[in-house]
Amino acid sequence: EAQVTQNPRYLITVTGKKLTVTCSQNMNHEYMSWYRQDPGLGLRQIYYSMNVEVTDKGDVPEGYKVSRKEKRNFPLILESPSPNQTSLYFCASSSGTEHSPLHFGNGTRLTVT
Amino acid sequence: GESVGLHLPTLSVQEGDNSIINCAYSNSASDYFIWYKQESGKGPQFIIDIRSNMDKRQGQRVTVLLNKTVKHLSLQIAATQPGDSAVYFCAENPSGYQKVTFGTGTKLQVIP
Repeated sequence: EAQVTQNPRYLITVTGKKLTVTCSQNMNHEYMSWYRQDPGLGLRQIYYSMNVEVTDKGDVPEGYKVSRKEKRNFPLILESPSPNQTSLYFCASSSGTEHSPLHFGNGTRLTVT
Repeated sequence: GESVGLHLPTLSVQEGDNSIINCAYSNSASDYFIWYKQESGKGPQFIIDIRSNMDKRQGQRVTVLLNKTVKHLSLQIAATQPGDSAVYFCAENPSGYQKVTFGTGTKLQVIP
């Protein structure tokens, strides 16, 4: 089944403790992206990647890092999480061709205390 | 449940009736538009898309209408069912550019 898989689904952590949220897709998609979703603010893009070893900032990149060492994986790294990063995070991928829709994972609910 | 449904405009529809969800977009350069459905506890799911060279596109029970003059997009769901209850997002994509901008969403509640 074609899918985008995120782990973990739920994560509670403390301020400053480094964490990684993994994302993997099995559709051989070139484009991958991370979003955060907050009430009243909708989906905002954190980082995206057009292909292996190619990443770029989205609208809200501060406090986040990503890497794209292989095509299927696009982990999101929070080196020093803060409470304002408490949010619902989604990874998405697409074929990267023009006019191709995004396929989303089921989300990671992160709480930073 | 997810808090994504808070602070959203809500459309309540009787089961079996048609639903119309509207969206205004901002970028005149956008030439690709997508509707997503987000059910509680899940990620957004692609429903239907339309390119700017069209003004209407039909899928199974869904129709998207595009009015470029007033930068307006609508999603029509025929014979709405309880399984259609979700938050619906429109998204726009400028030509040749992978960055997608999402609307804030509309919550559809289907009354049995």
